[in-house]
Amino acid sequence: GESVGLHLPTLSVQEGDNSIINCAYSNSASDYFIWYKQESGKGPQFIIDIRSNMDKRQGQRVTVLLNKTVKHLSLQIAATQPGDSAVYFCAEILTGGGNKLTFGTGTQLKVEL
Amino acid sequence: GAVVSQHPSWVICKSGTSVKIECRSLDFQATTMFWYRQFPKQSLMLMATSNEGSKATYEQGVEKDKFLINHASLTLSTLTVTSAHPEDSSFYICSVAPPSGIGDTQYFGPGTRLTVL
Repeated sequence: GESVGLHLPTLSVQEGDNSIINCAYSNSASDYFIWYKQESGKGPQFIIDIRSNMDKRQGQRVTVLLNKTVKHLSLQIAATQPGDSAVYFCAEILTGGGNKLTFGTGTQLKVEL
Repeated sequence: GAVVSQHPSWVICKSGTSVKIECRSLDFQATTMFWYRQFPKQSLMLMATSNEGSKATYEQGVEKDKFLINHASLTLSTLTVTSAHPEDSSFYICSVAPPSGIGDTQYFGPGTRLTVL
């Protein structure tokens, strides 16, 4: 389910299920997108990236989908594990624009045993 | 990914004092580093872009005289929070942009938790 207000949106999944985390980005000119995982008290960790000339990219257990028409990004995690519990952020960059990252609001993923 | 370190990992200080946070790029020389601030349950907000050998570029609303940035070498950037107040308590994170041609992603440090009493 989701919560609003001062709390991050939360996605709860059962261990072994697939997770889908969604993100809406703001700048239609952004040409590079990154998903980061942030565990409590730590810095963000790179998961996967995608450029605007692609609509899908796969990594190990993760897939990123990009829909430029509606400015939507998603992260799919296959066979979710307890170690996947973290906050996930999407980020967008306009390369050549100082390479400044703009982060989305984040989603808390909770994996239930 | 690239290794980025921050020191200290946490610091507690009294209101009115100044605190310096170091960010080091251990894998490559970085002409550009970034400083972010993150409040609990919120996203990362870019504070400034640190440029080696030149002045930092601050985001709108960030006081440059309060958050002093020094990027004196290609592997070290420092953020000094001057005259800290309780509202400056936050998680400060730096990131490193790899040299041109290697990629566009940024690699993040482990963060520094600042608590101002």
